[in-house]
Amino acid sequence: DQQVKQNSPSLSVQEGRISILNCDYTNSMFDYFLWYKKYPAEGPTFLISISSIKDKNEDGRFTVFLNKSAKHLSLHIVPSQPGDSAVYFCAATPSGGSRLTFGEGTQLTVNP
Amino acid sequence: DGGITQSPKYLFRKEGQNVTLSCEQNLNHDAMYWYRQDPGQGLRLIYYSQIVNDFQKGDIAEGYSVSREKKESFPLTVTSAQKNPTAFYLCASKERDRVYGYTFGSGTRLTVV
Repeated sequence: DQQVKQNSPSLSVQEGRISILNCDYTNSMFDYFLWYKKYPAEGPTFLISISSIKDKNEDGRFTVFLNKSAKHLSLHIVPSQPGDSAVYFCAATPSGGSRLTFGEGTQLTVNP
Repeated sequence: DGGITQSPKYLFRKEGQNVTLSCEQNLNHDAMYWYRQDPGQGLRLIYYSQIVNDFQKGDIAEGYSVSREKKESFPLTVTSAQKNPTAFYLCASKERDRVYGYTFGSGTRLTVV
């Protein structure tokens, strides 16, 4: 049972435009959501997070939106840069945060 | 500098052999985790440990074993019972009572031939 799902395996955008990565979840117990960026043969690095009491969190070029009723979150990157090209993972955890559940990942390619 | 170290970066083993992957952290984190990454399947949790001498199975524990004898160390053994062991393995740690703050290692690529 895939509790966190990223339905788009890949996304390609032009430099300077907006990248929108989507994530859906099924477990109502999830209270905290995180986005990670990962390069091949490296560990994921943390990008941005949001708790279920908020619907938006912004950090520089990165904004995460949470729609609890739809069990959906999205990561917006504006403006996109070639260095943003990587695999992006959505992850979720319940209160207490004993473990993270990851989505399948989306490969973002930003073309110059 | 504090961090989490996985070794080796690349590991080759013959089918039927057990192999142990190392994970060491000097962050003084209580909780440690092992994930496996396969193409198109994201990161799946194998085992995790919240405290020394205690650990729990994750979603795909079959064919794996772990130990947590020291706070700093959480080795993962891939046994011959694991049907598809070739994968990229990631170790992570965090403070036990924090929701955020996971630190990941740089991973070990295991290839079984």
